[in-house]
Amino acid sequence: DTGVSQDPRHKITKRGQNVTFRCDPISEHNRLYWYRQTLGQGPEFLTYFQNEAQLEKSRLLSDRFSAERPKGSFSTLEIQRTEQGDSAMYLCASSPLGGLGETQYFGPGTRLLVL
Amino acid sequence: QQQVKQSPQSLIVQKGGISIINCAYENTAFDYFPWYQQFPGKGPALLIAIRPDVSEKKEGRFTISFNKSAKQFSLHIMDSQPGDSATYFCAASDRDDKIIFGKGTRLHILP
Repeated sequence: DTGVSQDPRHKITKRGQNVTFRCDPISEHNRLYWYRQTLGQGPEFLTYFQNEAQLEKSRLLSDRFSAERPKGSFSTLEIQRTEQGDSAMYLCASSPLGGLGETQYFGPGTRLLVL
Repeated sequence: QQQVKQSPQSLIVQKGGISIINCAYENTAFDYFPWYQQFPGKGPALLIAIRPDVSEKKEGRFTISFNKSAKQFSLHIMDSQPGDSATYFCAASDRDDKIIFGKGTRLHILP
């Protein structure tokens, strides 16, 4: 299967700990997006990359959050000093080039629980 | 500010019936309107999408109706099947490319 993959699928951590998630986009997709989805809500945009350049960050992305996409391939999302409010599903999506109407393909997500 | 409002929150339909989900948007800069389907434990998957220069788009049993003047659009699922039971999200995007999702509708099709 050559879809978007995310690792880990589930993460349980204690408040104050740091966590890192990985996303592998579909091969040769230039755009990579991160979204957060809380229970009973739709996904909310966090940030996106065009190749290795981070083009936009949402106000939802506090200073404790950082995302990277070295070499324009996989991406990591790190949350420092986790808080209980960070508990959510973190979704990654990719698209070939980006632009209006370009389909974004989502991965299965990483479900984070902060105790 | 909720830019895409979706209703109902949940919907129960008999097998073979028509499922209808409605959405409204506020930002007139939106010009791409996708619908996503999400099963438990999975990421959202694109179902069907429309641009505001057409009033209707049909793909198999799924139809989007779009009313630009009212800033409303809806998804119709004809001949609904138990396998259609999932959460459906309407969404919108503009030239910034990020997708703004509605809160979702949990659809349950009775066998």
